Amino acid sequence: EIVLTQSPGTLSLSPGERATLSCRASQSVKSSYLAWYQQKPGQAPRLLIYGASNRATGIPDRFSGSGSGTDFTLTISRLEPEDFAVYYCQQYGSSLYSFGQGTKLEIK
Amino acid sequence: EVQLVESGGGLVQPGGSLRLSCAASGFIVNSNYMSWVRQAPGKGLEWVSIMYSGGSIYYVDSVKGRFTISRDNSKNTLYLQMNSLRAEDTAVYYCARWETYSGTYAFDYWGQGTLVTVSS
Repeated sequence: EIVLTQSPGTLSLSPGERATLSCRASQSVKSSYLAWYQQKPGQAPRLLIYGASNRATGIPDRFSGSGSGTDFTLTISRLEPEDFAVYYCQQYGSSLYSFGQGTKLEIK
Repeated sequence: EVQLVESGGGLVQPGGSLRLSCAASGFIVNSNYMSWVRQAPGKGLEWVSIMYSGGSIYYVDSVKGRFTISRDNSKNTLYLQMNSLRAEDTAVYYCARWETYSGTYAFDYWGQGTLVTVSS
């Protein structure tokens, strides 16, 4: 079973700043199977990034993903007020799926 | 338009049973990979189960032997039968589609969730 560890747990930034969120896997993850989701309070998660670096439909280009193997990163280039939320990475491997514990992005 | 609507949540006593439904529109359930993901109050997301288009089924270890995923093709609906419920099963349960056709390999559509509370 692959365990995903996200850091930091909470990130406090101001609108306009750059956010860098990390996701580290306990074993190598095929890049095709690494995704990022955004969740706002009271809402279902929304797919942001798939295949480690591909933006989902309708996702602004300020969101970008990178990484390979065991280390993956979600970057938000310039934070907008609507970007403050919880972000989860997620992987698939050997017919099992798992999520990281999440990073809360809060307004400083 | 793709839509997923869950129902069936509620309050149940420990040891009890509940069946969740996820009605899909805009696509064919049995041609896709369909999953259940849950979120305990104030906690993160936890994958629970998935049913592939070919019928293969997988579960997280904590629900094996207690939960059963199934689908009704005539109703285009996914189900989760939950038996022997425990307090730690308390969560919002989401159904989600795992997209494979376009090479996305991610949960691209989610329902709004249904709350299951296990308590005496």
